[in-house]
Amino acid sequence: AQSVTQPDIHITVSEGASLELRCNYSYGATPYLFWYVQSPGQGLQLLLKYFSGDTLVQGIKGFEAEFKRSQSSFNLRKPSVHWSDAAEYFCASGYSTLTFGKGTMLLVSP
Amino acid sequence: EAQVTQNPRYLITVTGKKLTVTCSQNMNHEYMSWYRQDPGLGLRQIYYSMNVEVTDKGDVPEGYKVSRKEKRNFPLILESPSPNQTSLYFCASSLKGTGSYEQYFGPGTRLTVT
Repeated sequence: AQSVTQPDIHITVSEGASLELRCNYSYGATPYLFWYVQSPGQGLQLLLKYFSGDTLVQGIKGFEAEFKRSQSSFNLRKPSVHWSDAAEYFCASGYSTLTFGKGTMLLVSP
Repeated sequence: EAQVTQNPRYLITVTGKKLTVTCSQNMNHEYMSWYRQDPGLGLRQIYYSMNVEVTDKGDVPEGYKVSRKEKRNFPLILESPSPNQTSLYFCASSLKGTGSYEQYFGPGTRLTVT
């Protein structure tokens, strides 16, 4: 069965520091891959997506993600975190339906 | 404005009292879906619909019903709610039912069943 693993439940990063959120997927072939962000009390917003081609994809709000087939990973990165980035981040994969990871809560310290 | 709307946003009810959570989208999307979000479990799909009159079970369909009589609406029905259905529910839609299309999410409905 398809699965998505986000190994970190919580991550705390200092404002201005770099960020990497991990995501591993389990699937027979390369699925479509997504990162969503959920701010407190809000719905989910798409940050970026990968279908094929260039393995480094750029998203909104300065985020990027790199697809590594050999590691079945799709890690999310940002070079400099802002306090407004504090939110919960979800990795998802699939074709006709999406399977979500359990999420990583990002805390940003001053 | 292109959006997915859900009503109500908050609902407290008692065990066994039938309820419906409405979902509507104004983007002429074919695909619609319901998820529930629980702490530590992420989002789990309840039901989805590839188009009008076409619905299918997701990962956690027990205790829920859906219908898709019109393209824009996809209500979620709990005929006899139980406390384990206390959760945050999201409706989503996308242009088509393949993963290449972005899913747009509604604002969520927080349901408490006592």
